[in-house]
Amino acid sequence: GIQVEQSPPDLILQEGANSTLRCNFSDSVNNLQWFHQNPWGQLINLFYIPSGTKQNGRLSATTVATERYSLLYISSSQTTDSGVYFCAVGFTGANSKLTFGKGITLSVRP
Amino acid sequence: SAVISQKPSRDICQRGTSLTIQCQVDSQVTMMFWYRQQPGQSLTLIATANQGSEATYESGFVIDKFPISRPNLTFSTLTVSNMSPEDSSIYLCSVERLHDTIYFGEGSWLTVV
Repeated sequence: GIQVEQSPPDLILQEGANSTLRCNFSDSVNNLQWFHQNPWGQLINLFYIPSGTKQNGRLSATTVATERYSLLYISSSQTTDSGVYFCAVGFTGANSKLTFGKGITLSVRP
Repeated sequence: SAVISQKPSRDICQRGTSLTIQCQVDSQVTMMFWYRQQPGQSLTLIATANQGSEATYESGFVIDKFPISRPNLTFSTLTVSNMSPEDSSIYLCSVERLHDTIYFGEGSWLTVV
């Protein structure tokens, strides 16, 4: 199956700092999504980004499909950004299902 | 987006019993997915539930242990049968909506004692 590797596994930031989270995957996919799981367990979809670049407020993401990686950028981090960030990859259509990476645990200190 | 409600949100269960988790979506969806997240771990897909057909289970998950129902396009249930402490996990329902974006319910936190 598809392998998904996320790095770094843990990240500690001071409030206001910027960060880059990386996701590498082993095979060509046409579906890639980033999620944030808050400390209460709720998973929020941040981006559907199989290729290209998207921005949403302080967050942006870039996927280079030909090189099999995606990056999530967090600027001016806030304590509410703390939690686990998951990258998930797979395919769309009838065989739609996602394989999740192990996640990156982010702690933003005030 | 999608509004996905799961019940129960939390439960403590006795070893050997079974528990059924309900997932209700605010509008019709073709595919619903059930995931398990063991403590401190990532998400693992249990099965895909399509309305009107048998659920499709991933390797390592079987229907006898995790029977799934999908009676209509807005509702599904997952039963965790004959529970053991290893089944203590968050169980998550998810759906695919516009542009293939995946949305999750709040999760059902199960502790088996």
